Amino acid sequence: KNQVEQSPQSLIILEGKNCTLQCNYTVSPFSNLRWYKQDTGRGPVSLTIMTFSENTKSNGRYTATLDADTKQSSLHITASQLSDSASYICVVSAGAGNNRKLIWGLGTSLAVNP
Amino acid sequence: EPEVTQTPSHQVTQMGQEVILRCVPISNHLYFYWYRQILGQKVEFLVSFYNNEISEKSEIFDDQFSVERPDGSNFTLKIRSTKLEDSAMYFCASSGTSGGQNEQFFGPGTRLTVL
Repeated sequence: KNQVEQSPQSLIILEGKNCTLQCNYTVSPFSNLRWYKQDTGRGPVSLTIMTFSENTKSNGRYTATLDADTKQSSLHITASQLSDSASYICVVSAGAGNNRKLIWGLGTSLAVNP
Repeated sequence: EPEVTQTPSHQVTQMGQEVILRCVPISNHLYFYWYRQILGQKVEFLVSFYNNEISEKSEIFDDQFSVERPDGSNFTLKIRSTKLEDSAMYFCASSGTSGGQNEQFFGPGTRLTVL
């Protein structure tokens, strides 16, 4: 069964600190892995998209890693800001060609406190 | 920067009523999607739409749901007879391609409350 699991479920950190969010997946066939940021009451916004051959990708203070062998990904946030408070969702695209679907994780709820 | 827009932002309706949720995808995109997110739960895929027809739908997308692209810009989701369990955030998304990395851009969502 295709599924995406994320940890921790929630996290509280102080402004300026770093944090790492984890994603484990069992999805086949794997197409790509995405990290989204979702502010409360808003739609998800894409942070990174990684294919099988990519093992790290950065977008500003966000760095995603992918280990396709262990089927794990992480999202590292550097020098956190109050605006980083949001849910971070790992999503894996399964399938090939035009027959792809997105398998969603439940997300990690991050709170950055002053 | 182009973005996906959705209206209304919040819709309250009585059980059994019909609702239509509206979306304006990014103008040069060809693939359109509806998702829903029940409070505290995962985002769930409902349906994808391409070339004026449904390309894929989930088991959630039963006969009570329909989608339409009535003109060149709008993409709508209709729920014929709403149930309490339809209360959720509904997100529209669009993408320029289906293959490759298929980045989907999401709208801000419509919060549907069924009383």
